[in-house]
Amino acid sequence: DIQMTQSPSTLSASVGDRVTITCRASQSISRWLAWFQQKPGKAPNLLIYDASTLESGVPSRFSGTGSGTEFTLTISSLQPDDFATYYCQQYNIYWTFGQGTKVEI
Amino acid sequence: QVTLKESGPVVVKPTETLTLTCTVSGFSLNNTRMGVIWIRQPPGKALECLAYIFSNNEKSYSISLKSRFTISKDTSKSQVALTMTNMDPMDTATYFCARLLRRTSLSSYYYMDVWGKGTTVTVSS
Repeated sequence: DIQMTQSPSTLSASVGDRVTITCRASQSISRWLAWFQQKPGKAPNLLIYDASTLESGVPSRFSGTGSGTEFTLTISSLQPDDFATYYCQQYNIYWTFGQGTKVEI
Repeated sequence: QVTLKESGPVVVKPTETLTLTCTVSGFSLNNTRMGVIWIRQPPGKALECLAYIFSNNEKSYSISLKSRFTISKDTSKSQVALTMTNMDPMDTATYFCARLLRRTSLSSYYYMDVWGKGTTVTVSS
């Protein structure tokens, strides 16, 4: 199985901050990585796929970079609606999620 | 508009068999660029993929749970079912179905683009 490790597990930030979340794969996954946002009691919402392609309707303050085993999700200017848990997920072989990063005030 | 909706029992007893149904709309289960996957999330924990099925009826399961799970589809009803045997309190979770999409017919890589809202299942005597 491909393991996905996110850091940090929790991130304290303020509105307007630039936020970066890191995701590492246990083996190369090329660019087959997605990022999801999940709010309490809701389903995950796709933000980015193919490591850097923004899903339609997702604000441009979200961006993704990386390939191989190292990936990042950046929120350029944190908004009140962005406080949530973020998951990376690889789809190179089957699908596995990271453990999540909670972005809190 | 693409939607998926999960349905099934809210509470089941240990050792019972659970069947969940995912009803899709806005796309066909015959579409060769798409499939459906089941994922679960225990309370306060991360997401775990359970099983998937494609238009050609290719299917697969989580290695650790494989022997207990069966996935099937009824294209005429636009439904995908997941059956889980021998339920245990550890199976208490919110169960989601999601659409798998590949960007082109030449790609072998499917990502999850649209999710259902989920259904919460509690296993308790």
